[in-house]
Amino acid sequence: DAGVTQSPTHLIKTRGQHVTLRCSPISGHKSVSWYQQVLGQGPQFIFQYYEKEERGRGNFPDRFSARQFPNYSSELNVNALLLGDSALYLCASSRDIHSTDTQYFGPGTRLTVL
Amino acid sequence: GEDVEQSLFLSVREGDSSVINCTYTDSSSTYLYWYKQEPGAGLQLLTYIFSNMDMKQDQRLTVLLNKKDKHLSLRIADTQTGDSAIYFCAEIPGDKIIFGKGTRLHILP
Repeated sequence: DAGVTQSPTHLIKTRGQHVTLRCSPISGHKSVSWYQQVLGQGPQFIFQYYEKEERGRGNFPDRFSARQFPNYSSELNVNALLLGDSALYLCASSRDIHSTDTQYFGPGTRLTVL
Repeated sequence: GEDVEQSLFLSVREGDSSVINCTYTDSSSTYLYWYKQEPGAGLQLLTYIFSNMDMKQDQRLTVLLNKKDKHLSLRIADTQTGDSAIYFCAEIPGDKIIFGKGTRLHILP
């Protein structure tokens, strides 16, 4: 079975631009979460979506938004990019939303903002 | 508050055991996790332990949990060069995973 997939793998943008990152969960998984991992740090939680609704949000500005589609895939959008948004963006899927559900991570999208 | 602490670096000789330690703050987490991240890659779930267990063994991996002290450790027996990576401890208090900053495991020949 395919794992969590993310696209693109790498992306270079300039300050002020916007970006859309995509994630496809493992088949049968209904929850998708997004994380930002800055170099040298652990991943930081951005959003969790379940059944197309936002179910959790981390401490990120409104420039960050996301959505989940009927097929459970998800997009993360970041507007007005800043240099500090440069990071590895990780998507994780889980079967449901319970805290006991294991999250499986994709390979990530590396975003560089110049 | 929510916080997960790990030492940042560990250096071990090939064939020895590696022990990576972690402390967490939220006692409500039902599971505690260890993830592995190799250079340029995403996170790979290594193992997890249910909060009412003291120990879990899975091949070369042993997880020890001291719930009273909120201390979690990961022991890797017979450490190999392929074990070189960053290891993240994580807890789930509520609706999100809280990760530590990661421990970089370096293998000496």
